[in-house]
Amino acid sequence: GDSVTQMEGPVTLSEEAFLTINCTYTATGYPSLFWYVQYPGEGLQLLLKATKADDKGSNKGFEATYRKETTSFHLEKGSVQVSDSAVYFCALWPMNRDDKIIFGKGTRLHILP
Amino acid sequence: EAQVTQNPRYLITVTGKKLTVTCSQNMNHEYMSWYRQDPGLGLRQIYYSMNVEVTDKGDVPEGYKVSRKEKRNFPLILESPSPNQTSLYFCASSLTRTSTDTQYFGPGTRLTVL
Repeated sequence: GDSVTQMEGPVTLSEEAFLTINCTYTATGYPSLFWYVQYPGEGLQLLLKATKADDKGSNKGFEATYRKETTSFHLEKGSVQVSDSAVYFCALWPMNRDDKIIFGKGTRLHILP
Repeated sequence: EAQVTQNPRYLITVTGKKLTVTCSQNMNHEYMSWYRQDPGLGLRQIYYSMNVEVTDKGDVPEGYKVSRKEKRNFPLILESPSPNQTSLYFCASSLTRTSTDTQYFGPGTRLTVL
């Protein structure tokens, strides 16, 4: 079945460091791909999404490119801030309308000042 | 403001005492769902609803009930809670169940069953 695998955390970086959180998926066809962020004590918020191959989603300095050839959707940011500390979830929504959105297990990110 | 609200945000209860967690959205969304979040397991879907009076099981429906009598509300019911239902619960909604839609999440309900 369809699945999402993301790198395990926690990931700890210093402020202004470059961030990459890896996400790979298994799915038939062309699913939509998402990154959600969960700040402490809050629900998940959509960070960015891409709905077809080679699309690049971007928001708040974060980017991710839908790579069909490597079945990946890695999250990147050039210079992280303390306020980026959160849990990040990669998610996949299959093409089949009857299938549900599938979340990765989440990656906790700590940014040190 | 477009939002999904849940109540209560925190709840401590005892085994066997029926409880309801409410969820409401003000975006006229058709699709609503409930998830539980547990350490190391990520988010798992409990139940979902495609529209009013249409509900179906997700990955982990055992021990839960839902209803969808109105479009905006989707309560989660635990008839006889047990300690293994201690978790963080999220309600979510989206316009439809189309793969390009965005899901909007509530702030979460932290439930402890003693």
